[in-house]
Amino acid sequence: DAGVIQSPRHEVTEMGQEVTLRCKPISGHDYLFWYRQTMMRGLELLIYFNNNVPIDDSGMPEDRFSAKMPNASFSTLKIQPSEPRDSAVYFCASSYDSNGEQYFGPGTRLTVT
Amino acid sequence: RKEVEQDPGPFNVPEGATVAFNCTYSNSASQSFFWYRQDCRKEPKLLMSVYSSGNEDGRFTAQLNRASQYISLLIRDSKLSDSATYLCVVKAYNTDKLIFGTGTRLQVFP
Repeated sequence: DAGVIQSPRHEVTEMGQEVTLRCKPISGHDYLFWYRQTMMRGLELLIYFNNNVPIDDSGMPEDRFSAKMPNASFSTLKIQPSEPRDSAVYFCASSYDSNGEQYFGPGTRLTVT
Repeated sequence: RKEVEQDPGPFNVPEGATVAFNCTYSNSASQSFFWYRQDCRKEPKLLMSVYSSGNEDGRFTAQLNRASQYISLLIRDSKLSDSATYLCVVKAYNTDKLIFGTGTRLQVFP
């Protein structure tokens, strides 16, 4: 298996632009998680899905952030409009169940100038 | 207070040394515990689960103290390849969410 796939790996954009991050989970995994990691705050859960349904989005910072999972093999995290404070590494992770073993993708390093 | 707290380090140790990290958690309803490892500019990966009775995986030993709400990770005979950030992770009862500590950085030198 190729593991969790994320694209793009790096994104540099200007403030106010829309950013879309993409994730393909491991086949057969029912859970998908979106995290954000910064030096100051560490790894924070933004939202997670179970069987393509959003379960908890309490970590989404504000309305500028949205996430979708139209099918079992694809999810997006969108930021519109982007701001410099959104600069971080965004990880997608998937798991077969909720027992705690999550498989992370390589992350998208986002820089908003 | 953070839900999961770790000493950020760095811990600088020579090859062959034994090093231990501790982590405390605030939610007494926490049910499952893990250590993840994250190499520089890479994604986190599960290192090991932490069981109530303690568990060992080669040079790594994890222990849980529920009464004091802390978790430990002991690394024996440190290797250069052990250099990484070690994330303490907690899962509360009846939730699918993992709460990550900010990590403890280990640097093993020759």
